[in-house]
Amino acid sequence: GAGVSQTPSNKVTEKGKYVELRCDPISGHTALYWYRQSLGQGPEFLIYFQGTGAADDSGLPNDRFFAVRPEGSVSTLKIQRTERGDSAVYLCASSLYREETQYFGPGTRLLVL
Amino acid sequence: AQTVTQSQPEMSVQEAETVTLSCTYDTSESDYYLFWYKQPPSRQMILVIRQEAYKQQNATENRFSVNFQKAAKSFSLKISDSQLGDAAMYFCAYRRRVQGGSEKLVFGKGTKLTVNP
Repeated sequence: GAGVSQTPSNKVTEKGKYVELRCDPISGHTALYWYRQSLGQGPEFLIYFQGTGAADDSGLPNDRFFAVRPEGSVSTLKIQRTERGDSAVYLCASSLYREETQYFGPGTRLLVL
Repeated sequence: AQTVTQSQPEMSVQEAETVTLSCTYDTSESDYYLFWYKQPPSRQMILVIRQEAYKQQNATENRFSVNFQKAAKSFSLKISDSQLGDAAMYFCAYRRRVQGGSEKLVFGKGTKLTVNP
C-alpha cells in the first residue's frame, strides 16, 4: 500500500509569514508523529497524535507552532510568524496503535528567508 | 531524559567489506526498543533493523546485524558485504516501551557512511 506522504516537498517562505505542512499517514495508522530535522542533526520530536487528539506536544518549541488532525487521518503542522531558525526538514511518521515501528514520509524542506 | 549518542560522524568502507557503526544510549528504563534507520539523500527514513530490550538475542536482517549490550547500553550496527546502495546517513534511535500506547523516538546525530567502489 501507499506509504506516508508529505506536501509540499519543498517550501520557501519569507520571515514573518505563515506556513502549513501536510502529512497523509499510512491508511489505518492511528498514531502520527511530527519531527524536525535541522542540518547535520538527527530528527527531534515535536508532537504525537493518537487519533484526533494530541497525546504529547512536549516537543513543540513555542506557541508559534501548532498541529491538528481533525479527522484522525491527515495532519497539518502550522507555523506562524516564521523565523529563519525554523528552516529545517519536517518529517512525519505514522504507526499502528501500540506498534513500535514508525514509518516515515519523505519530509518537507522548509527554508525561511 | 533519554539520550542517544553516535560518536562517529563519518565512516567509510570498501565495497564488499564489513563496517560497524557505534551507538550508545542513556536511560533509566528497563523496557524499550532500539532502532537503526537509514536516510539516503532522498530524505526518506528507512527502518533497517530493530531490537527489543527484553530479548537477549541480537537482531539480524540479511546483511545487517546488531550487537546489543544492555548492561553497557550499547547498540552497534554491523553491515556485511557492503554495497554502494548502503551509502547514507544512519541514525540510531531509542523508544521507551509503554503499556497500551505509542511513544516518540529519540535519535542520535547520525553517522554518514560512504561506500567506496
